[in-house]
Amino acid sequence: EVQLVESGGGLVQPGRSLKLSCAASGFTFSNYYMAWVRQAPKKGLEWVATISTSGSRTYYPDSVKGRFTISRDNAKSSLYLQMNSLKSEDTATYYCARHHSAVFDYWGQGVMVTVSS
Amino acid sequence: DVLMTQTPVSLPVSLGGQVSISCRSSQSLVHSDGNTYLHWYLQKPGQSPQLLIYRVSNRFSGVPDRFSGSGSGTDFTLKISRVEPEDLGVYYCLQSTHFPWTFGGGTKLELK
Repeated sequence: EVQLVESGGGLVQPGRSLKLSCAASGFTFSNYYMAWVRQAPKKGLEWVATISTSGSRTYYPDSVKGRFTISRDNAKSSLYLQMNSLKSEDTATYYCARHHSAVFDYWGQGVMVTVSS
Repeated sequence: DVLMTQTPVSLPVSLGGQVSISCRSSQSLVHSDGNTYLHWYLQKPGQSPQLLIYRVSNRFSGVPDRFSGSGSGTDFTLKISRVEPEDLGVYYCLQSTHFPWTFGGGTKLELK
């Protein structure tokens, strides 16, 4: 069974940093692209970042490019999202997702990030 | 960015009934490889999204055949027949043909 478990969320002040983690199990992690998708409170879904199997290629929308960095450790079956220069509009639930054949097929339960002073 | 427009925003339904949700894109979702990367998700209350349909009409593992997807180009439809209580929630379409990948705004399926 595919399992994705996020951690590392919390309350952070604007301009500060936070790093999210996602522990994967139930599949061969190193064979799959992985992604982060977020959902602001009572809002829709927004793709945030994707990383290739080896980690050599990363993709971001303009809204987070230059501030967020996605990375992975295949030996630990873990995915990360380093978020810098956080803004209030980054407040959201962040989901880790497996990104396979151009679709997010499995999702974690999500972790809440609140950016507020 | 490709704009994904879902209608309706809210969709009242009776259990056992049939409904359709529309998703329209601001440009064609046919990829240069010939595939159309339009997918459907359901987010049940308090849960993370779950994949229902990928590439327009392919049901994901474990998804009942009450769910069907169709469409082409810029116009897509998700049909749900014999609606059951566990089908209630918010439905989203996603396009992954064009970068950045974008979601529709959601359609809330709720009981009449």
